Amino acid sequence: QSVVTQPPSASGTPGQTVTISCSGSNSDIGSNFVFWYQQLPGTAPKLLIYRNTQRPSGVPDRFSGSKSGTSASLAISGLRSEDEADYYCATWDDSLSGPDVVFGGGTKLTVL
Amino acid sequence: QVQLQESGPGLVKPSETLSLTCTVSDGFIRSYYWNWVRQPPGKGLEWIGYMYYSGRPNYNPSLKGRVTISVDTSKSQFSLKMSSVTAADTAIYYCARERGSSPEGGMDVWGQGTTVTVSS
Repeated sequence: QSVVTQPPSASGTPGQTVTISCSGSNSDIGSNFVFWYQQLPGTAPKLLIYRNTQRPSGVPDRFSGSKSGTSASLAISGLRSEDEADYYCATWDDSLSGPDVVFGGGTKLTVL
Repeated sequence: QVQLQESGPGLVKPSETLSLTCTVSDGFIRSYYWNWVRQPPGKGLEWIGYMYYSGRPNYNPSLKGRVTISVDTSKSQFSLKMSSVTAADTAIYYCARERGSSPEGGMDVWGQGTTVTVSS
């Protein structure tokens, strides 16, 4: 199955902009949408970005997504303490049996 | 606002079958794709599979052969069965709705999750 890679950790200070990367291949990110999820401690994941760049209603515009080729990024501007969470990218893998959903390994964001 | 609620045994013995149900509060189970996702303790998210009420389910290849997802429209529920479980299947199990009417909308509504432990 496809492997989508994220850095295990990221950090920033309040007010900064932090970027989290998500790297894949032609059969996953390269040919499919990318989604981003935020998981606060002890809670279920929350959809943050869908279809590469779109924000669901209620998600602040401090969160933005982008995609280029086989990589994608989540940018968080004006970092706040409440942004401290795990962030997961997700995409589809065009396997023979698929498409299958693939999650990145997750990035733990620490607000210093 | 729609809510999803997982239910099922919190403890399953090794080699037995794990069975979970997700109840959709607003009854619009025919309008969306439905997913199961799990998270082992201290680890990341793993997609298990999805299903549309009238379609063929799609499963994670790494779990295929052990997993069955089904939809019961009369009860507004969808279910997960996982056979021959081992300790590696210990996890929080989430049900989630796919946004929109396609399987590529993003999972916009999640249940609170239910913890399943595999142990004798």
